[in-house]
Amino acid sequence: AQTVTQSQPEMSVQEAETVTLSCTYDTSESDYYLFWYKQPPSRQMILVIRQEAYKQQNATENRFSVNFQKAAKSFSLKISDSQLGDAAMYFCAYLEGISGGYQKVTFGTGTKLQVIP
Amino acid sequence: DTAVSQTPKYLVTQMGNDKSIKCEQNLGHDTMYWYKQDSKKFLKIMFSYNNKELIINETVPNRFSPKSPDKAHLNLHINSLELGDSAVYFCASSKFLRYSPLHFGNGTRLTVT
Repeated sequence: AQTVTQSQPEMSVQEAETVTLSCTYDTSESDYYLFWYKQPPSRQMILVIRQEAYKQQNATENRFSVNFQKAAKSFSLKISDSQLGDAAMYFCAYLEGISGGYQKVTFGTGTKLQVIP
Repeated sequence: DTAVSQTPKYLVTQMGNDKSIKCEQNLGHDTMYWYKQDSKKFLKIMFSYNNKELIINETVPNRFSPKSPDKAHLNLHINSLELGDSAVYFCASSKFLRYSPLHFGNGTRLTVT
């Protein structure tokens, strides 16, 4: 079974500073997708950013970017110019294709990000 | 114009009762899922349906029975509720395309007393 590891249960960052959340995963596949989801206190799961394993270029979405190291099976999330609204649980997720053309998503254990004013 | 909607938002019930959670998506997606988020925030897949057909069943007790009347709906019925069933249950959907991201509902917090 695929596993996704987030080794930082909690992180904190000063407002306007930059923070990096770590994620590693275990797979023998070469074709897959990786995602970061954000879960604020409202409980809603919000897609932040996605990365295709075949693309060497790191994905960027405004203040959010990833550092994807395929050989190391590492997928970290960098948040620049942190804002109070960034405070949330962040989940790393691994998406694999399974038989029949379907897919399965496995989530990490999450990192709780606190933003300090 | 809610994309994935779940009802109820909160559900408090006693042990031994039977309850249902409903989920509907208006995104035109073919695949729907149920995830369970425990008290430690760990998200684990329970079921996946594609166009009303069960695709994934992840070692879930048979007290849990998903039902998909059509591809836009996936309901979760739970029999003989136990204390350990207390959690947040998320419905999600995705396109039937490889590597299509999940779109989540807002979750149902189930509390069993």
